[in-house]
Parts: sequence; C-alpha cells; structure tokens
Amino acid sequence: ETAVFQTPNYHVTQVGNEVSFNCKQTLGHDTMYWYKQDSKKLLKIMFSYNNKQLIVNETVPRRFSPQSSDKAHLNLRIKSVEPEDSAVYLCASSPSSYEQYFGPGTRLTVL
Amino acid sequence: GDQVEQSPSALSLHEGTGSALRCNFTTTMRAVQWFRKNSRGSLINLFYLASGTKENGRLKSAFDSKERYSTLHIRDAQLEDSGTYFCAAETGGYKVVFGSGTRLLVSP
Repeated sequence: ETAVFQTPNYHVTQVGNEVSFNCKQTLGHDTMYWYKQDSKKLLKIMFSYNNKQLIVNETVPRRFSPQSSDKAHLNLRIKSVEPEDSAVYLCASSPSSYEQYFGPGTRLTVL
Repeated sequence: GDQVEQSPSALSLHEGTGSALRCNFTTTMRAVQWFRKNSRGSLINLFYLASGTKENGRLKSAFDSKERYSTLHIRDAQLEDSGTYFCAAETGGYKVVFGSGTRLLVSP
C-alpha cells in the first residue's frame, strides 16, 4: 500500500528547462528525503528535511532546490536541467527510527 | 569514500535453494534496512534492524554493528523472489547510504 506519493511518474524535457517534482507522505513522518538513482542503479541521498527544516544537503548542483511547505510535502525543483540529470528521483519519509519508506519514483529524461 | 559494499552484485539460484547477500560497512552504522525492488520499480521494505536478527517467512536478516556487516538470507527461493535487493545503512544525522544492489535471478 503506497503511502508516499510522487508526481509525475515520468517527465521528458529538454536541456535548460525547469522541472518540479512533488512528493507527499501520509504516514505522519517528520523526515523526508530525496534520492537520485543513476544509470548504474546507485541510490544517493540528495536532501533530507526534518519538520520542514533542511538537515542534509549533499553535494548537488545549485540548480537543484528542495521545497517544503509542511512536513508531509517535500518537492524538488531543478532549474535549467542538464543531460546528466536524467535519472530516477526517489522520495522517502521516515519516522524517528529513520526506517525509510519510499515513493514509486519519478523518471526524468533530459533530451 | 564508499561506506557500504554490497555483494554479490548478481546471484542466480534454482528454485528451492538458498543463499545470502551481504553488506559490509566501512564505519559503524546505527541501523540497516533491506529492500527489494518490485516489478514496478518501487522499493519494498523487507527489514529494518538496529541490531540482532529478524525473520519473515523465507527471509532472514542479521545486523552486527560492531562487526560492521549485515546479511540477508533467502531460503527455498521462488521465482517471484527475482529482483534487485538493496541494503541501506543509517549513518546518523538523517543520512542513509545505499549499497549498489544485488540482482537475483531465480530459475526453475
């Protein structure tokens, strides 16, 4: 049963465009994350938020910016996408135990 | 550097047999989680352990923080167990590091 929702499922765009991905969790968790899964299927954390506060900000290009309106939502905006941004972006949430609950992912293709 | 080393990268099993996946950590981890990627690409939670072992059906997982490893044992493998399995370790400070995954293929 899905409790972490991501939209869109897929997005195809051209270099230089701006994209936004949405994530919502209905689990009542305080912490949310964005991960990037590259072509080698490696999952790497990008950001984590706890109660709307940015906690972890890994080394990602500045064109990536997370946005959190409340603890149930964590969106990801990419300004001026690059070809290397093509990947699957996974949103997750966790309770205080840090056990991760993942959304289905958003596959981004940059042409 | 890489903090989680997962092995093997690929594994083939015949139905009814079993094996183990392993994740070694370069540092002390607070907890470990195991996932399986389903046919739709979603990550399904299998286990979350802060210590010790857990068992669920034909799957069993162990985590030794001091020795810096975790294992996932599969017994009596079935065709539907095929997929990619990931371990993920909690380093602390809201940070989780994933292994590179194990592609499991179960054949008749």
